[in-house]
Amino acid sequence: KQEVTQIPAALSVPEGENLVLNCSFTDSAIYNLQWFRQDPGKGLTSLLLIQSSQREQTSGRLNASLDKSSGRSTLYIAASQPGDSATYLCAGGKTSYDKVIFGPGTSLSVIP
Amino acid sequence: DAGVIQSPRHEVTEMGQEVTLRCKPISGHDYLFWYRQTMMRGLELLIYFNNNVPIDDSGMPEDRFSAKMPNASFSTLKIQPSEPRDSAVYFCASSLRLAVYNEQFFGPGTRLTVL
Repeated sequence: KQEVTQIPAALSVPEGENLVLNCSFTDSAIYNLQWFRQDPGKGLTSLLLIQSSQREQTSGRLNASLDKSSGRSTLYIAASQPGDSATYLCAGGKTSYDKVIFGPGTSLSVIP
Repeated sequence: DAGVIQSPRHEVTEMGQEVTLRCKPISGHDYLFWYRQTMMRGLELLIYFNNNVPIDDSGMPEDRFSAKMPNASFSTLKIQPSEPRDSAVYFCASSLRLAVYNEQFFGPGTRLTVL
């Protein structure tokens, strides 16, 4: 059974720091991977989607990479800001028609 | 497009009552997903539809839960009878094609409290 872990579970950093969030699947056969952001009491907002033919995606200060050989993904946030404070979840599917499995999330707090 | 719309945003009910959650997906999206989120279990997929047809309901916890999608713009998730352990945030999401190809777009969720 595919399981997803995210490390760390919680992270607190001062504003301006660069940081890395990690996501790992027990079964490394990941077809593609999506990173989401969830603000307290809100729904999930899609940040980045790494398709099967890609290794990474970038959007502004965010960069996500996927190592399919190990089933691991990282989300890099550059020059963090207080507005980045939220919970970040990764989600992936094993095959092109598999349903997506979500990780438990990393709770990020950026201190002004 | 207004995005995925869910109603109600909050629901408080007593054990044994019937609860109906509603969702309107983004126009043109073929897939609709119902999720449940709790602190203990995280985000769990309950059921998903493709072109209004239920494809996988293996995540539905019990027979008390049922979901329908009578047309491309409306879906319901019903719990009858409700129990305190059903308290959670229920999200609806939609995507153009199955999620592994395309991004999922989530609604704001319905926070359900069963007393």
